[in-house]
Amino acid sequence: NAGVTQTPKFRILKIGQSMTLQCTQDMNHNYMYWYRQDPGMGLKLIYYSVGAGITDKGEVPNGYNVSRSTTEDFPLRLELAAPSQTSVYFCASSYGDRANYGYTFGSGTRLTVV
Amino acid sequence: GQNIDQPTEMTATEGAIVQINCTYQTSGFNGLFWYQQHAGEAPTFLSYNVLDGLEEKGRFSSFLSRSKGYSYLLLKELQMKDSASYLCGGLTGGGNKLTFGTGTQLKVEL
Repeated sequence: NAGVTQTPKFRILKIGQSMTLQCTQDMNHNYMYWYRQDPGMGLKLIYYSVGAGITDKGEVPNGYNVSRSTTEDFPLRLELAAPSQTSVYFCASSYGDRANYGYTFGSGTRLTVV
Repeated sequence: GQNIDQPTEMTATEGAIVQINCTYQTSGFNGLFWYQQHAGEAPTFLSYNVLDGLEEKGRFSSFLSRSKGYSYLLLKELQMKDSASYLCGGLTGGGNKLTFGTGTQLKVEL
């Protein structure tokens, strides 16, 4: 049981490049989330999904896109990377009907845009 | 959305007790979480409160007062490994979305 797996762990992008951050979970969680964490700023919700085929914006969605074609996978796409997107990105998942179990987080992707 | 407020930093002594406070807006509130995050690692779940009162789990306890929009995390018998950031998160709306505070960086000293 791997939990939530994120790849890559580290990445350096040039301004204007694109990339996809991968996230997969094997716990059959129906809810999945993407957060970014800047130093001293806490975790900010980018996008979330309550099931395959359903996605919705969080607090800071600009510059990002997501898709949820399967229960297991929830990739995050950056189309035109900007320095403001330098951050640590965490994917998380949870049971929709058992909020008390909380989120399971992936180990994070540290992204630098130069 | 939620406004979650918690102190930025705290320092405590090994073996002591420390209380980390968190305040939040009560509108749309569905529950409150505490997570621990060591430097360079992912947050890990500590506790969940949805009803008023104290929840105890070993050395860690969490308290909630819904009418006051207030929670605290109590850590007893502090150990050096408890040095970490402690995140308070409010659950709101559909999708079990969590809004987090900026985290409280706890430093445990000898």
